[in-house]
Amino acid sequence: DTGVSQNPRHKITKRGQNVTFRCDPISEHNRLYWYRQTLGQGPEFLTYFQNEAQLEKSRLLSDRFSAERPKGSFSTLEIQRTEQGDSAMYLCASSLKGSSGNTIYFGEGSWLTVV
Amino acid sequence: AQTVTQSQPEMSVQEAETVTLSCTYDTSESDYYLFWYKQPPSRQMILVIRQEAYKQQNATENRFSVNFQKAAKSFSLKISDSQLGDAAMYFCAFGNQFYFGTGTSLTVIP
Repeated sequence: DTGVSQNPRHKITKRGQNVTFRCDPISEHNRLYWYRQTLGQGPEFLTYFQNEAQLEKSRLLSDRFSAERPKGSFSTLEIQRTEQGDSAMYLCASSLKGSSGNTIYFGEGSWLTVV
Repeated sequence: AQTVTQSQPEMSVQEAETVTLSCTYDTSESDYYLFWYKQPPSRQMILVIRQEAYKQQNATENRFSVNFQKAAKSFSLKISDSQLGDAAMYFCAFGNQFYFGTGTSLTVIP
């Protein structure tokens, strides 16, 4: 059984560079979520998709952040012109709407360090 | 606005004893699910237990159980017979977008 997969697991980038993270959800899951987590905090909701439609975006998702889910399968989260404050773990999760109370299953996260 | 509050940043428990972690939330919705997730040092978020808000019966999963008080918007997690492997951050969450609390760090003392 393949879980949620995230790549890369770790990324170190210079301030001002663009980075992209990829998430492959559990294959039959139609919902996909992105969160950001900093040390000592809980995951902060960024956005979620149902199939290919982006249904909600948090105010945390500034115009430097963009997420896509073409064809309702994998998703990408791009951060443009990175800032040191973007350093965090970016978590992806997926769920099957209507199943098991929409329980979400997380990937292992992608760590971003902006230097 | 939907919010989740975990008022205990840190808790500790003796091995084999029982501990209760608190969570309160605020929502105007009437039908929703609530969750407790565990995040060990590996940082992998793991589902511990789930509660359906329309069910009055508290959910139980082996050594883990909840005390769900819908009117009070309270959703606490009880861990019985605590084990060393229970040491982790515990997050309460609810809603379609899964709003999370700030977490409670649980230490299990041998």
